Amino acid sequence: EAGVAQSPRYKIIEKRQSVAFWCNPISGHATLYWYQQILGQGPKLLIQFQNNGVVDDSQLPKDRFSAERLKGVDSTLKIQPAKLEDSAVYLCASSSLDGAYNEQFFGPGTRLTVL
Amino acid sequence: RKEVEQDPGPFNVPEGATVAFNCTYSNSASQSFFWYRQDCRKEPKLLMSVYSSGNEDGRFTAQLNRASQYISLLIRDSKLSDSATYLCVVNHSGYSTLTFGKGTMLLVSP
Repeated sequence: EAGVAQSPRYKIIEKRQSVAFWCNPISGHATLYWYQQILGQGPKLLIQFQNNGVVDDSQLPKDRFSAERLKGVDSTLKIQPAKLEDSAVYLCASSSLDGAYNEQFFGPGTRLTVL
Repeated sequence: RKEVEQDPGPFNVPEGATVAFNCTYSNSASQSFFWYRQDCRKEPKLLMSVYSSGNEDGRFTAQLNRASQYISLLIRDSKLSDSATYLCVVNHSGYSTLTFGKGTMLLVSP
């Protein structure tokens, strides 16, 4: 079974530029999550989708971050404009059932450096 | 008080040692609990769920004390391959999302 795919794996941009990340969850997984992991910290949830609807985006900085999951499969996360403090690994995860009670499968992440 | 707090680490132990990690959570209504493992520069992976009755998987034992809002992970007979960061993860009642602790790094040396 193929795992969660993410691209790009690495991205370096300057502050105030825009960047987009892509995620393809495990086939059949209805729930998709985007996490931000800053060095030395645990992952922090940014947004959760159930199919193509948003379940929780309470920690998403909506003035600069946006995410969509068209057709309930792939998802993109965008940052516009980027700040220095956005430097982190952006992890996508998916789960077949409610991920609060069942395993979440993570992709390899996109490592973002903002200069 | 932080939502999920873990031992700061790192823990440096020799092969064969027994090591225990502690975790506390702030929301008494939390319903599900997990330990995830994260290797250096890799993604987190589920190590084990934590049940009220305690559970064991080979060399790993997880325990939950709801009264104290405390979770533990015990690793017996440590292997070099156990070197990783161990993340304590909690679901808070009423939400279908997880909260991760900062993680505790384990380094097992020959």
